[in-house]
Amino acid sequence: GNSVTQMEGPVTLSEEAFLTINCTYTATGYPSLFWYVQYPGEGLQLLLKATKADDKGSNKGFEATYRKETTSFHLEKGSVQVSDSAVYFCALSEGNNDMRFGAGTRLTVKP
Amino acid sequence: GAGVSQTPSNKVTEKGKYVELRCDPISGHTALYWYRQSLGQGPEFLIYFQGTGAADDSGLPNDRFFAVRPEGSVSTLKIQRTERGDSAVYLCASSPGSPNQETQYFGPGTRLLVL
Repeated sequence: GNSVTQMEGPVTLSEEAFLTINCTYTATGYPSLFWYVQYPGEGLQLLLKATKADDKGSNKGFEATYRKETTSFHLEKGSVQVSDSAVYFCALSEGNNDMRFGAGTRLTVKP
Repeated sequence: GAGVSQTPSNKVTEKGKYVELRCDPISGHTALYWYRQSLGQGPEFLIYFQGTGAADDSGLPNDRFFAVRPEGSVSTLKIQRTERGDSAVYLCASSPGSPNQETQYFGPGTRLLVL
């Protein structure tokens, strides 16, 4: 079945550091890939998505590229801010069926 | 516009009791999903509705869990004979349901605690 594996946390960085959170997936078909973010005390929010191979999703300085050859969708940001501290979830979905989530990676950015 | 709303935001109950959790999806969204999120984990799929019908209920853990969406809008997740292991945050999400409209929009969740 479909599944997502993401980098275990927690991840602690200093402000303005470069961020990578690894995500790999297993799927039977051609899924869409997502990154969701959960800020402290808030619900899940869509951060970015990509619907086909080689697509790049981007939002708020974050980027992720759908790599079919390596079945990956790593999240990157060139310069993190304290306000980026949150839990990040990689997820995949095929069609309008259920979304499969990774376990989440907690990011803490220190000033 | 209004997002997905869920009530109650918190629910404390005793082992063996019955609970109902409500979800109001985004207006016009035909697809509705329920997930369960345990502490330190990602959301785990429970059930998916397309309109009024349950298109996929393969994630429901056992027959104590049941969900309905009688008019194709509001949905209720029902848990009978609650157990301590049912304690989690229950998330609802909705999506437009059209082809290639897979983005799901999540509500704030209901935190259930079974004592």
